[in-house]
Amino acid sequence: DQQVKQNSPSLSVQEGRISILNCDYTNSMFDYFLWYKKYPAEGPTFLISISSIKDKNEDGRFTVFLNKSAKHLSLHIVPSQPGDSAVYFCAGPSQGGSEKLVFGKGTKLTVNP
Amino acid sequence: DAGITQSPRHKVTETGTPVTLRCHQTENHRYMYWYRQDPGHGLRLIHYSYGVKDTDKGEVSDGYSVSRSKTEDFLLTLESATSSQTSVYFCAIAVGRSDNEQFFGPGTRLTVL
Repeated sequence: DQQVKQNSPSLSVQEGRISILNCDYTNSMFDYFLWYKKYPAEGPTFLISISSIKDKNEDGRFTVFLNKSAKHLSLHIVPSQPGDSAVYFCAGPSQGGSEKLVFGKGTKLTVNP
Repeated sequence: DAGITQSPRHKVTETGTPVTLRCHQTENHRYMYWYRQDPGHGLRLIHYSYGVKDTDKGEVSDGYSVSRSKTEDFLLTLESATSSQTSVYFCAIAVGRSDNEQFFGPGTRLTVL
């Protein structure tokens, strides 16, 4: 059973517009979430996180929103830039313990110039 | 800054041969992880370690073994490689105040013919 789901395998947006990447989770006990960004031939890199005590966390052009009642989080990128083209993974703590993460399948974002 | 190296970075091998991938960290982080990344599956945990000689299975551990004889090194072994183990393998370490964020290595691309 997928604990963290990213239902959109891909997303294409125009440069300068907003990119919204979505993630759903099943375990209401999750207390934090992370987003990772991955370029081809590189390892994933941490982008932004959010604790369940918040509903929003912002870092520059990146904002993550958490809707606990809907078990849904989203990553907003404004404005989108061609360099943002990458695969984005959301992750939450595994049921086996907070030192383990469970990842979604990823969404490939393409930002067109 | 945390540093991780993985070796080799690329490997081509034949079915039935043993393969060992190495992950080396430059700091004394307690938790280390091995993931595989495959199209349509995202990042899946193979095995992880919570200390020297302390390891546990992840969600896709069949066909893999690990060893951690020193804090800085975490080895992943495919005893008899199969074509289904063709993948990109990432090592990670837990970082941050609560070890709830993971920092990834550059990856090893393994092809089993």
